[in-house]
Amino acid sequence: DVKVTQSSRYLVKRTGEKVFLECVQDMDHENMFWYRQDPGLGLRLIYFSYDVKMKEKGDIPEGYSVSREKKERFSLILESASTNQTSMYLCATFRTLTEQYFGPGTRLTVT
Amino acid sequence: AQSVSQHNHHVILSEAASLELGCNYSYGGTVNLFWYVQYPGQHLQLLLKYFSGDPLVKGIKGFEAEFIKSKFSFNLRKPSVQWSDTAEYFCAVRDDKIIFGKGTRLHILP
Repeated sequence: DVKVTQSSRYLVKRTGEKVFLECVQDMDHENMFWYRQDPGLGLRLIYFSYDVKMKEKGDIPEGYSVSREKKERFSLILESASTNQTSMYLCATFRTLTEQYFGPGTRLTVT
Repeated sequence: AQSVSQHNHHVILSEAASLELGCNYSYGGTVNLFWYVQYPGQHLQLLLKYFSGDPLVKGIKGFEAEFIKSKFSFNLRKPSVQWSDTAEYFCAVRDDKIIFGKGTRLHILP
């Protein structure tokens, strides 16, 4: 059974903190994605990665960075969290010509 | 860049009504198309997908979608909705990355 796991379901951080969101997949997929989901805005792509140590900016990369040191792990980093980064963060993965698999999401609140 | 638009932000229907949710993408070429559903409090689930072949795609829970290349459309349909179909529905297209529409909130009245 396909598995995409995210390190936390709920997270509360203070403004200015550095935040790490971890995503791990056990399917040996090359492609991994980070989205944020906000009401009325759907899913917006933050960063994605086609392979280890490769990363590409999505539509809203500002304020975020990513790390992919191993194929199964894709980390999203908020260098200095701000209140407008309060959101639901979704990790996803796919291999070519398959559907995308989503993690359960991390609801981040920045106070 | 590729984009996806969903025509309706909020749809309210009575049980047994027929459903059609619109989805258009911005340009052609080889695209893969998806509909996802998110039930309240749950994470995204794949309803159906189109990669190639028969443009009428059948998914789970009685949903289907039709790919019309000339119209750049991939509308979702269900002939008779149920209260349990209350959810948010997202259309998505993939060329080199996956782009989502803004979603349509469907509310079914019992």
